[in-house]
This record gives sequence, structure tokens and C-alpha cells, in this order.
Amino acid sequence: QVQLQQRGASLLQPSETLSLTCSVLGGSLRGYYWSWVRQPPGKGLEWLGEIHIGSNTNYNPSLEGRGTILVDMSKNLLFLRLTFVTAADTAVYYCARGRSKVLIELWGQGALVTVSS
Amino acid sequence: QTVVTQEPSFSVSPGGTVTLTCGLSSGSVSPTHYPSWFQQTPGQPPRTLLYTTSSRSSGVPDRFSGSIVGGKAALTITGAQADDESDYHCTLYVGDGIWLFGGGTRLTVL
Repeated sequence: QVQLQQRGASLLQPSETLSLTCSVLGGSLRGYYWSWVRQPPGKGLEWLGEIHIGSNTNYNPSLEGRGTILVDMSKNLLFLRLTFVTAADTAVYYCARGRSKVLIELWGQGALVTVSS
Repeated sequence: QTVVTQEPSFSVSPGGTVTLTCGLSSGSVSPTHYPSWFQQTPGQPPRTLLYTTSSRSSGVPDRFSGSIVGGKAALTITGAQADDESDYHCTLYVGDGIWLFGGGTRLTVL
């Protein structure tokens, strides 16, 4: 059974770069769409972007070019980088797996990122 | 800017039926927006309920159903139970590789 494992909470200062890792356990990255979704405290979900091996990587325009999604196929890892963070980037960040026309079928447990000076 | 709309809150009596909706500010929802629905309880990651309008994820009971009605995606819960009290989120594909979530609906069972 495939599991998506994320690291725990982290604290960043404004203008730093957020770096998150998601380990795909028991399965392959190939053949699926891999997304990052975030949820600010007490608010709704926001899709940040997705990557499909061998195809385009798409991002939510709301990130205004600050986001990058990468994979390491050899280690079954998914990454999110978000530059120049502000307090508005404080959220629980989820990695997730989907398929064509299916945004998400499997969720990671989430990782809290707090941006504060 | 396209926005996905959901009712902020809804309530249903135990055993009752409730329909939550998911709309688009730019027009009607169609099957090519590939609506999905997710259930979330406090402190937990979301759980995928439905995808491509009406397909149920593994383990989701058939009292959860999806459709498109009146230009909106709809999630219907039939025979509501106490543990259905959750936040429900929808998402739509809006083209150019972009997906948008609605603001979520808090469902109360009382």
C-alpha cells in the first residue's frame, strides 16, 4: 500500500525559502500526477501545483513564480520549494497523488510551516 | 479571476439528506471540469470521496453520491450520520493545467 510520508513542522523567517520533501513509500513516482496543496490555519485548501513525469509542471498563478516542484526518481522523493515566504505562506502543506483527470486520490499527512519573525 | 464557490455552512438532521454544491464564477460546471469532493475533520488530512463527478474512492459508502445539477457540481449525502459532520471541499479543473478549490463547506449534523 502506497504511503506519502512528510516531515514534521518547520519555522521560517520572512523572505526565506521553504523546502519540503515528500517520500513515496511502496510505490513509484512514474505514471502519476503529484501535487502540493496547502491549508492556512482555519481556512480552505489551495492547490499549488503538480508534476507529471515526462510532461509539464503546472503551478497555481497565485504563487506568482515563487514555486518549484521537483522529483528525485532514484529516491522516490517529491519536493516543493517556495521562495521569499511571508506570513501568508503559513499553512499545513500536503503532498498528494493523482491520475489523469483525478486531482487527488491519495494524501500525505501534512507538514506545518510557520513563517514568523 | 475564476473562483470556485461553495456554501460556507450547512446543517442536516441525522438520517436526513443534504446536497452541497460547487460552482464556478465564470459559468456552469460540466463533466470536463472533473469535479472532486473531499472530506476533512479537524487536525486530519483530507480524504478523497468522489472524483470525475460521481466516481467513489475506495471504501467510500454509497450514501455519498455526486452529480452535476443546475450548472453546479453536487455532493449528496443520503441518510446522514453523526460522523459525517466535517468540512467538505470541492475542486474543479479550469483549464491550462490549473485546478482550483472552493472555500469549503462546514456540515453540521444535528
